[in-house]
Amino acid sequence: KAGVTQTPRYLIKTRGQQVTLSCSPISGHRSVSWYQQTPGQGLQFLFEYFSETQRNKGNFPGRFSGRQFSNSRSEMNVSTLELGDSALYLCASTRRLAGDLTQYFGPGTRLTVL
Amino acid sequence: SQQGEEDPQALSIQEGENATMNCSYKTSINNLQWYRQNSGRGLVHLILIRSNEREKHSGRLRVTLDTSKKSSSLLITASRAADTASYFCATDHGAAGNKLTFGGGTRVLVKP
Repeated sequence: KAGVTQTPRYLIKTRGQQVTLSCSPISGHRSVSWYQQTPGQGLQFLFEYFSETQRNKGNFPGRFSGRQFSNSRSEMNVSTLELGDSALYLCASTRRLAGDLTQYFGPGTRLTVL
Repeated sequence: SQQGEEDPQALSIQEGENATMNCSYKTSINNLQWYRQNSGRGLVHLILIRSNEREKHSGRLRVTLDTSKKSSSLLITASRAADTASYFCATDHGAAGNKLTFGGGTRVLVKP
């Protein structure tokens, strides 16, 4: 099976702009979770989508949003970018086996806000 | 904020030595997992241990879990230069949906 893919891999934006990141999960996986990774805050959960519905949300401002399509691909959007939004954004495709949750991560999108 | 704390934050060892890192968490878990990340790339799942298990092995990896102390340790035996990476523990607290809570990570440098 192909792994989790994320596009683009790198992005440079300026403050005030908006950005959309894309994630395609492993075929057959219906759950996609997004995380933000920064040197100061580490890995923080943004939100999770399952069957086109947001099921869980982390503690991020409303500028961070997402959606999921019927083919399970997901996008996240950040509006009115701030310098602090510079981070590695990771998407994870989830499998539950016998109740155990395992996440498979994409390579990430490195966002730099200038 | 992160639930888990890991120590040490960084570890430098020679090839062939063992590397041990620890993780602590605050609330009850369904399971605890360890992931590896190379140079700011995606995370790779290494091993999962359930809350009713005390020890688990996978190749050169050994994980222990002490739920009474809310802590876990990851041991990498006979380390190789290719083991150089950051290692993260992640906890599944059984919350609705699929969400893991990650520790701050341990950076491991294995010198050849």
